[in-house]
Amino acid sequence: QVQLVQSGAEVKKPGASVKVSCKASGYTFTDYYMYWVRQAPGQGLEWMGWINPNSGGTDYAQKFQGRVTMTRATSISTAYMEVSRLRSDDTAVYYCARVYSGSGGVRFDYWGQGTLVTVSS
Amino acid sequence: DIQMTQSPSSLSASVGDRVTITCRASQSVNSNLNWYQQKPGKAPKLLIYAVSSLQSGVPSRFSGSGSGTDFTLTISSLQPEDFATYYCQQSYSPPPTFGQGTRLEIK
Repeated sequence: QVQLVQSGAEVKKPGASVKVSCKASGYTFTDYYMYWVRQAPGQGLEWMGWINPNSGGTDYAQKFQGRVTMTRATSISTAYMEVSRLRSDDTAVYYCARVYSGSGGVRFDYWGQGTLVTVSS
Repeated sequence: DIQMTQSPSSLSASVGDRVTITCRASQSVNSNLNWYQQKPGKAPKLLIYAVSSLQSGVPSRFSGSGSGTDFTLTISSLQPEDFATYYCQQSYSPPPTFGQGTRLEIK
C-alpha cells in the first residue's frame, strides 16, 4: 500500500534551517509529483511547492522563493524540503502529498503524517 | 491565484443530520474541485475528486455537486467519525488553492 513517512518533529531557532524528509513506499516514486503543504497552528492549508521526482524539476510558491529548496533521492524514494532563514511564523506542520494526475483531474491522494517544525528562541 | 471561499466556517450538527458545506471559487474551475477531511492531529484525507467522484473507501453518505464556481459537499446522515474539518481545493489553475476550511462540530 502507498505510504509517505515523514521525519520527526524539529525545534529550531530563528535564522536556522530545517530539512524535512518524506519517504515513499508502495509505488514507483518517480511516477508522481510530490507537493509540500504547510499548516500553521489553527490555520488552513498552504501550498509551498512541488518537485518532479523523475527530473528533479521544482516550482515554489512565490512567498517561499529563495528560502525553500526541494530535492529528492530516487535511490531511496525520498523527497526533501528545506526551509532556510526560519522565522517564528514558519512554525507549522509540514506535509508532503503525492499528486495523482489522470482521469478526474489532479488531486492529492496520499499524504505524509506531517512534521511539526517549531521556531522559537 | 484562484481564491476559494467556504461557508460556513463552522457548523454544529447532530448524529444523523444532513449537512451541506459550500465552496465558491473566485473564477471558474470547471470540474477541477476536490474535497478533503482533516481530523485533529492528522493529515488531510481525500474524500471527493472532480466534484463528485468518491475516493476509494469513502462512504457513500458523502457526495459532491456543482460546476464552474459553486460547489457543495453533502453528508447525508452524520456519523460520529465525520466530525472534522473539511477543505475544498481547486486544481484547475496552478497553484492549487484551498478553502479556509469548515469545522463540523457535535451539537
